[in-house]
Amino acid sequence: AQKVTQAQTEISVVEKEDVTLDCVYETRDTTYYLFWYKQPPSGELVFLIRRNSFDEQNEISGRYSWNFQKSTSSFNFTITASQVVDSAVYFCALSVGLETSGSRLTFGEGTQLTVNP
Amino acid sequence: DTEVTQTPKHLVMGMTNKKSLKCEQHMGHRAMYWYKQKAKKPPELMFVYSYEKLSINESVPSRFSPECPNSSLLNLHLHALQPEDSALYLCASSQAYGFSSYEQYFGPGTRLTVT
Repeated sequence: AQKVTQAQTEISVVEKEDVTLDCVYETRDTTYYLFWYKQPPSGELVFLIRRNSFDEQNEISGRYSWNFQKSTSSFNFTITASQVVDSAVYFCALSVGLETSGSRLTFGEGTQLTVNP
Repeated sequence: DTEVTQTPKHLVMGMTNKKSLKCEQHMGHRAMYWYKQKAKKPPELMFVYSYEKLSINESVPSRFSPECPNSSLLNLHLHALQPEDSALYLCASSQAYGFSSYEQYFGPGTRLTVT
């Protein structure tokens, strides 16, 4: 069975602060995939990143960066110089492939990020 | 184009009504999904279609009936729903090759209220 824990339920920061969202996962599979999604108040989940278990390279995309550490089963997400538009619920998710193709995402409970002006 | 469209955006229905939710994607994805999301909770998987065949039904009550008419369309037929079925219903699609797990692209959702 898979499990994802996002211990931070809510985070509030002031604009331009850096913020890190934590994600810890559990799985017995050696091949797995990790994702981050953003859900703004409009409701649509927006895909941010996908990582497979064999690729531990950290990634940076603009103000976003991700730190994947298999040794601690963590896949943390940092927003640098936060902006009001970053306010949203962020979900970390874990998946293993399905025999029938497609995937079953196991989501964390989400972290509500509020960026105040 | 990474767009998944869903109609309607909002739906209010009585417990005796029959209605359908529609989802469409043109990314060539062969896996499509229905999720249910309650307020302040993560999405819960309901159904997975892979190559137009139902591959996963997460023990969803029979008052929800999915249909995949072709590789671009996914419907969710609703009948005799209960007030607790009120939620945001999200459709998603992804590539589907072998055992790999690809990112899912979500539509904007249908906000359903059952009265």
